[in-house]
Amino acid sequence: DTAVSQTPKYLVTQMGNDKSIKCEQNLGHDTMYWYKQDSKKFLKIMFSYNNKELIINETVPNRFSPKSPDKAHLNLHINSLELGDSAVYFCASSQSDFGNTGELFFGEGSGLTVL
Amino acid sequence: GDSVTQMEGPVTLSEEAFLTINCTYTATGYPSLFWYVQYPGEGLQLLLKATKADDKGSNKGFEATYRKETTSFHLEKGSVQVSDSAVYFCALNFGNEKLTFGTGTRLTIIP
Repeated sequence: DTAVSQTPKYLVTQMGNDKSIKCEQNLGHDTMYWYKQDSKKFLKIMFSYNNKELIINETVPNRFSPKSPDKAHLNLHINSLELGDSAVYFCASSQSDFGNTGELFFGEGSGLTVL
Repeated sequence: GDSVTQMEGPVTLSEEAFLTINCTYTATGYPSLFWYVQYPGEGLQLLLKATKADDKGSNKGFEATYRKETTSFHLEKGSVQVSDSAVYFCALNFGNEKLTFGTGTRLTIIP
C-alpha cells in the first residue's frame, strides 16, 4: 500500500496548457504539502494545507492553485503552463506533531516537462 | 533567509569506503536538522535528525552531529554498501510546517 501517491508520474505538455497533478495519502495525516524540485535540484515548499485549510503559501504565481477536497487529498492545478514550470513536483504529508518530529512522508514525485 | 548548503555531487565510492557528505546551514537561531534520503524510484524519507547542539542522529549505520560552532551537520557512514546508493538531502526546520532543504547529493556505490 503506497502511503502517499501522486498521479501522473510523468507529464509532458505544451506551453499554455492547463494540467493537474493529484495526490492522496492514506496515513491519516492532517497536513499535506506541495514541494517543487527545479532543474538545479533545489527542493522548495509551495503550499501546505492543514485539514483542508491553506496554511503556507510561498511566493508562487497564481497560475498554481492547490485544492484540498478533504484532508486525504491535495491536488495541484497549473494554468497557462510556462517553460519554467518544468520540474519535479513532490506531494508530502505529516502528522500533527510535525513540529517535534520534522518528519514528512513524500510521494514519488511527478515529473512535468513543458515544451 | 534560512538556507542549507550541501556538497556538490555526484559522489561515487567503492563498497566499504568511508562516506562523508557535508552540510552547513545559515539560520537565525537554532533549528532542528535532518537528513532525508531518496532511493531510486521512491519519495524522500527521513533518515535521521538532531534537535539541538551536540546531538547526534543515527540510523542504518549513518550518523550526523549537530555542530553549532561550525553550523554543520555532516553525514557519515563507516562502510557504505551498494544499497546506500541514493540522493541525500540535508534540511532544517524551526518547529513549524516548513522544511528548508539543500540541493541534494547523489551517491553511487560501486561493488
